[in-house]
This record gives sequence, structure tokens and C-alpha cells, in this order.
Amino acid sequence: NAGVMQNPRHLVRRRGQEARLRCSPMKGHSHVYWYRQLPEEGLKFMVYLQKENIIDESGMPKERFSAEFPKEGPSILRIQQVVRGDSAAYFCASSPDYTEAFFGQGTRLTVV
Amino acid sequence: RKEVEQDPGPFNVPEGATVAFNCTYSNSASQSFFWYRQDCRKEPKLLMSVYSSGNEDGRFTAQLNRASQYISLLIRDSKLSDSATYLCVVTLSGNTPLVFGKGTRLSVIA
Repeated sequence: NAGVMQNPRHLVRRRGQEARLRCSPMKGHSHVYWYRQLPEEGLKFMVYLQKENIIDESGMPKERFSAEFPKEGPSILRIQQVVRGDSAAYFCASSPDYTEAFFGQGTRLTVV
Repeated sequence: RKEVEQDPGPFNVPEGATVAFNCTYSNSASQSFFWYRQDCRKEPKLLMSVYSSGNEDGRFTAQLNRASQYISLLIRDSKLSDSATYLCVVTLSGNTPLVFGKGTRLSVIA
């Protein structure tokens, strides 16, 4: 059973471009969480999804950010018109239910 | 008051020492509690769940105090490899996300 897979591991984008981050949950897991971590800071919750539904997006900026978890395929976190402040590590975690979650290795986004 | 609070540390302890971290949570309705470990620039990894009766896994012991709304992690016989940031995680039941504390940094020194 493969773990949570995130890709790409590293992503460089110029200001104004779009960034797409992918997360494939562990087999059998229908809950996905996205977190952002700035250097030397804690994990900040962004969005919580179940298959085809956004359950809680209270941590997601209102503009430029969106997330989906379709019936088939990975969860996608999309950042439009990236700015330097979007540079961070983005972690995805999956869970089979409302219990412990397992993290992917993260995507490190650098905006130049 | 923040939802989950931890002393950021750092805790610098010699090998073989016993060290304990506490974490307080603000929502008395919280149902599930976990400790995660995060190494520098890596993903958080589940260390252990925290049950009402407390639980132990080798050198690690976790306890929950609902009355005072805190959980604790005790590490006995510290190893150099225990050096990491320890994250306290709390969640309500139902469709609510995991809420992370900012972590407590531990350095075990030879």
C-alpha cells in the first residue's frame, strides 16, 4: 500500500503563473487535507475535502486558491497568478475516516 | 486563545534524559488527539494517538487530561534521533479538520 503521493516535489513558477499541486491519497482513504507551511512556522490548515465535496475551506485564501478532489484521480490544489508570498511547502494528508491522517512528502513551491 | 498551544522550546536535553511536553487545547468538545513528529524540511509523521486511558509505545508515553484540557508526551531515555519538532494535533468529531499546534522543538545532545 503506497503512501500519500504528492507531485511535483519541487515547483518553480514565475509571478503571475499558475501552480497545480497534486495529491494521491492512500488506497482506501476518502478524506484529504491540505496544509501550508512557511519556513520556521507551523502547519496552517487550508482545506479539507472528501470525494467530490469540499467540507471545510476556512483556511483557504478567498482569491486565487482552489481545491478539488474528484471522484476519479488525485486531489488538486490550484494557485492562480502566484505571488512571492505563496512560496511555501504544501503538504497533503489523507485519512480513511475521522482519525489519524498520513502525510505526503510535500510540494515545495518557489515563486520567482 | 489559540485552539492548540504548545511551548515552542527549544528543549535541549542530554542523551538518556527524560523530557515531557504539554499541549493545551481550547475546545472542550475535542474528541481525538495525536502527537506527530516533524524532522527539518520533512513531512509530519504520526507518532501516536492519545487515548483517554493514556498509552505507551516503547520509550514514549502519551496522556490526556480532559478536565484541564491538555495532552502530554513523555520521552524516556532520549536518543539523538529523537531530535525533531513534536506537533500536537486535535480534532473534533465529525467533518472537522485536524488542528495542529506550532510544535515543540527538541534537541538531544550527546
